[in-house]
Amino acid sequence: DIVMTQSPGALSVSPGERVTLSCRASRRVSSDLAWYQQRPGRAPRLLIYGASTRATGVPARFSGSGSGTEFTLTISSLQSEDFAVYYCHQYYDWPLTFGQGTKVE
Amino acid sequence: QLLESGGGLVQPGGSLRLSCAASGFTFSNYAMTWLRQAPGKGLEWVSAISAGGGESFYAGSVKGRFTISRDNSKNTLYVQMNSLRPEDTAVYYCAKNCGDGPGNYCPDHWGQGTLVTVSS
Repeated sequence: DIVMTQSPGALSVSPGERVTLSCRASRRVSSDLAWYQQRPGRAPRLLIYGASTRATGVPARFSGSGSGTEFTLTISSLQSEDFAVYYCHQYYDWPLTFGQGTKVE
Repeated sequence: QLLESGGGLVQPGGSLRLSCAASGFTFSNYAMTWLRQAPGKGLEWVSAISAGGGESFYAGSVKGRFTISRDNSKNTLYVQMNSLRPEDTAVYYCAKNCGDGPGNYCPDHWGQGTLVTVSS
């Protein structure tokens, strides 16, 4: 199975700050990488797919980059509604797998 | 919109069938996925099925116990869960995928989930 490792596990930030989250795959997943945001008590929301394409309705402050095994989600200026857990997800090979999540608090 | 149903309390070794009613998109054009989240834990991919239903895929933790299926005439996704274990306790989400075929099994819209509790 492809193991997805996210770092850091958690980070404390202030509104307005720039945030960079990392995701590493144990082997290459091409660009078949998605990022999800999950707020407490809510279903996950797709932010990024194809490593760098924003999903419909996602604000431009969210951006994704990377390919192969190293990926990054950047939030350019954190808003109050962005405090949540973020997951990366590879859909390149079966079984599909998620990272363990990064909590932004 | 995706609306899951069928969750509840079941004893270890028991069975449960979850359903997911889809609306607002052409259900038969998209692969579909089941995912789950144990209490206080991260997301886990469980199973996926192609748009036509001819291909299905499973996580190792559920292979041989869970069966995914769909009825495109009823716009409904199912998962039959047998031989349930306490570690299957989770909120189960159904999700529409980005498309169909390789490279398109990215869940892009999720239901609100249904809780399955496996306990004696």
